[in-house]
Amino acid sequence: GAVVSQHPSWVICKSGTSVKIECRSLDFQATTMFWYRQFPKQSLMLMATSNEGSKATYEQGVEKDKFLINHASLTLSTLTVTSAHPEDSSFYICSARPGLFHGYTFGSGTRLTVV
Amino acid sequence: GENVEQHPSTLSVQEGDSAVIKCTYSDSASNYFPWYKQELGKGPQLIIDIRSNVGEKKDQRIAVTLNKTAKHFSLHITETQPEDSAVYFCAASTTSGTYKYIFGTGTRLKVLA
Repeated sequence: GAVVSQHPSWVICKSGTSVKIECRSLDFQATTMFWYRQFPKQSLMLMATSNEGSKATYEQGVEKDKFLINHASLTLSTLTVTSAHPEDSSFYICSARPGLFHGYTFGSGTRLTVV
Repeated sequence: GENVEQHPSTLSVQEGDSAVIKCTYSDSASNYFPWYKQELGKGPQLIIDIRSNVGEKKDQRIAVTLNKTAKHFSLHITETQPEDSAVYFCAASTTSGTYKYIFGTGTRLKVLA
């Protein structure tokens, strides 16, 4: 089946540094990928839509300069959390759709802890 | 704006009993309704989905029903097992445009052995 690989699975970084999270579709091409954020015991909140070869579309309230998204190829999207702060600590998850009539497949998530 | 309500937020059932989770959506244009299971520390996994041209779909112990008129859909798990314990999310989407999902708030299911 369709697999979305996300790395790293967890990362600890210091305040003020940047962290990059990768999302790869392993056996299919994805022109669109979605990035979500999930706080403990809460639902998934859509942050942005990553579009291959063009700018990402951000949801209201999400700072595009803080959460940089790059979708340079049909199999890779990256999310960079810039100048991270403790309040950015969260579970970040990406998703992609294997085909027109398929549901979205999610990555395994990245637990970010900013200290 | 678009909204998906999900109930209950927590559900405990005895092993072997059935579990039912209900969702209501607001956008009448929604025509695709997936259900995801999320285990602790992992990404959500698609377990079943239904499209608006179908009223019910079943896959072994899991079934989903859809009532378009009332704008609600439900997940039914029969003969529950301890490994069914997880958080379940419903979602609603349209199969046009960006295909964004609107997720429900989640249901924490505990199956007691």
